Amino acid sequence: AQSVSQHNHHVILSEAASLELGCNYSYGGTVNLFWYVQYPGQHLQLLLKYFSGDPLVKGIKGFEAEFIKSKFSFNLRKPSVQWSDTAEYFCAVTPAGGYQKVTFGTGTKLQVIP
Amino acid sequence: SQTIHQWPATLVQPVGSPLSLECTVEGTSNPNLYWYRQAAGRGLQLLFYSVGIGQISSEVPQNLSASRPQDRQFILSSKKLLLSDSGFYLCAWSVSGGWYEQYFGPGTRLTVT
Repeated sequence: AQSVSQHNHHVILSEAASLELGCNYSYGGTVNLFWYVQYPGQHLQLLLKYFSGDPLVKGIKGFEAEFIKSKFSFNLRKPSVQWSDTAEYFCAVTPAGGYQKVTFGTGTKLQVIP
Repeated sequence: SQTIHQWPATLVQPVGSPLSLECTVEGTSNPNLYWYRQAAGRGLQLLFYSVGIGQISSEVPQNLSASRPQDRQFILSSKKLLLSDSGFYLCAWSVSGGWYEQYFGPGTRLTVT
């Protein structure tokens, strides 16, 4: 079975700082990868996803993530955060091609200070 | 467009009472449906998923059960709530045929007293 690790549980940044949230997964085969975001008081929603192709994927609101297969990583990045990026971010993984469940990480709470 | 509803939004129930949380999806047919519990610092725990009417898979043995009486309706139930059932319950759907991106409802905050 697959697993997901998000090493940063709580991150505090000032506005305009750069962001990188770590996500590592454990699975021996091909995977689909996701980042979800939950803004305060809002639904959990998809930020970006990787299924195949270019390992650098771009999502909404200026976020991007890079899939590095050799490192089993899918880190989320944003060059310059805004106060509105304050939210909880979840990485998720599922084996590709079959009907196997998605596994979520424990989440990272990002607090952006104005 | 697709919409997912959950109700109630919040619920306070005494220990030993029954539970019924409802989730409905609009704007899509034959979706996969999911129930998750979200606990602080523990991420999302998959409780049940369903690929069709009457087809329920349980991921975690516990005090809860799920049913899918209609194509776009998913119900989470308990006969007797425990204190440990307190939490934030999320319903989600995805297109049929695989575990692709999921779309989440607003959630139900359950407090068992």
